[in-house]
Amino acid sequence: SQKIEQNSEALNIQEGKTATLTCNYTNYSPAYLQWYRQDPGRGPVFLLLIRENEKEKRKERLKVTFDTTLKQSLFHITASQPADSATYLCALDQYSSASKIIFGSGTRLSIRP
Amino acid sequence: EPEVTQTPSHQVTQMGQEVILRCVPISNHLYFYWYRQILGQKVEFLVSFYNNEISEKSEIFDDQFSVERPDGSNFTLKIRSTKLEDSAMYFCASSSAAGGGFQETQYFGPGTRLLVL
Repeated sequence: SQKIEQNSEALNIQEGKTATLTCNYTNYSPAYLQWYRQDPGRGPVFLLLIRENEKEKRKERLKVTFDTTLKQSLFHITASQPADSATYLCALDQYSSASKIIFGSGTRLSIRP
Repeated sequence: EPEVTQTPSHQVTQMGQEVILRCVPISNHLYFYWYRQILGQKVEFLVSFYNNEISEKSEIFDDQFSVERPDGSNFTLKIRSTKLEDSAMYFCASSSAAGGGFQETQYFGPGTRLLVL
């Protein structure tokens, strides 16, 4: 069966450290993978997209890697700040259907001062 | 910065009643979506819409659901006869077709919280 798993429900780290979140998928062949941020009671906010032929993408303090052999994406936030506390969602498309994306259940990240 | 807007922000309805959730996508976007998120659960795809027709729909999107773009700016989700299990946050999203091609990044609205009693 198809699955998208994000490493843990919650991650708690010290301010200034690098947060690393994991997204693993099974029985998908995505053309791209996206990461979104969701704050409580709000809609997801797009952060980064990485395509199947890309290994790494960066944006400011964010970095995403995509390993289609391992079927895994890693999402890093460097120099983390309390304002980075949120739930982070990975989402991927179904190769045969680019307009349908499937979300993981998310990892709730807490950055303590 | 352009954004997706949704109305109402909250809706309470009785089981069996019809509800219409409204969305105004970003003005130059051509692809529109509805998602739902039951409290504490993942965001679930319902339907995508392009060129005045449904592109994709999930198993959740049964005959009780319908979507419409009644004019050049609004995109609506109708639930014909609500059930208790329809209680959720409903998100609208849109994406562009810049350069003539489908653009993957989706921009989400703030959501409508629907409570069915």
